[in-house]
Amino acid sequence: EVQLVESGGGLVQPGGSLRLSCAASGFSFNNYWMTWVRQTPGKGLEWVAHIKQDGSRVHYVDSVEGRFTISRDNAKNSLYLQMHSLRAEDTAIYFCARDLRSTGSFDIWGQGTMVTVSS
Amino acid sequence: QSALTQTASVSGSPGQSITISCTGTSSDVGGYNYVSWYQQHPGKAPKLLIYDVTNRPSGVSNRFSGSKSGNTASLTISGLQAEDEADYYCNSYTSSNTPAYVFGTGTKVTVL
Repeated sequence: EVQLVESGGGLVQPGGSLRLSCAASGFSFNNYWMTWVRQTPGKGLEWVAHIKQDGSRVHYVDSVEGRFTISRDNAKNSLYLQMHSLRAEDTAIYFCARDLRSTGSFDIWGQGTMVTVSS
Repeated sequence: QSALTQTASVSGSPGQSITISCTGTSSDVGGYNYVSWYQQHPGKAPKLLIYDVTNRPSGVSNRFSGSKSGNTASLTISGLQAEDEADYYCNSYTSSNTPAYVFGTGTKVTVL
C-alpha cells in the first residue's frame, strides 16, 4: 500500500525546536520530489517546503526560510522537517506529500501531525 | 507569496453543476500550466482531484474537470452529489520570490 506516515509533532514553547518525520512505503521514494504542507486548524493550506529527489534542491515559503530545514534519507525512505525558533504562528497540522509529476501535483498525503507552539 | 483568491463558498443542489474559481497573477496561475485542485473533508488529508490544469489522476470521478483562462483557473463539479460537500483548494506553481507553490484561500462547497 502506498502510504506516508508523519510523526514528531507535539507541544513546544516559543523559540523551541521540533523535528518532524515522514515515513514512506509502497513506492519508490527516491523518484519523487517531496513536500511539507501545513494547515492551521480551521484555516487553509499553506505550502511550506519541498526537496528534490536527490536532496540537491530545496525551497521554502518566506515565513520559514532560515528557521526550517527540509531533508530526506532515501535509504530510509524518510522525509524530515527540522524546525527551529518556533513561533505561535507555526501552530498547525503538518502534512507530508508526494509530488506526482514535480509540478505541485500532490497525490499522496500523510494523515498529518499536529504542532502546537505555546507557553 | 500571497494566497490565490477563491470564492469563500459555493452551493448547489444535487445533480447541478457548480464552478469554483481561483484567481492569481501572471507569476503563478497565468504563467504556468501547473495548477492543481484538492478536495478536503473535515478531519481528513486533502485529495488530489486535478493536476496540470486539466488532468485527472486515476480513480478520480470524471464529474470533476479543470480549466484555465488568463490568470484564473476553474474547477467544475458536474452532477453534484452529497459527498461532494467539502472544502476545495487550488494550488499553483509560482515564480514570485522563491520558486515554490502557493495554495488558494479555499472554497466551502455546500450541497443543498
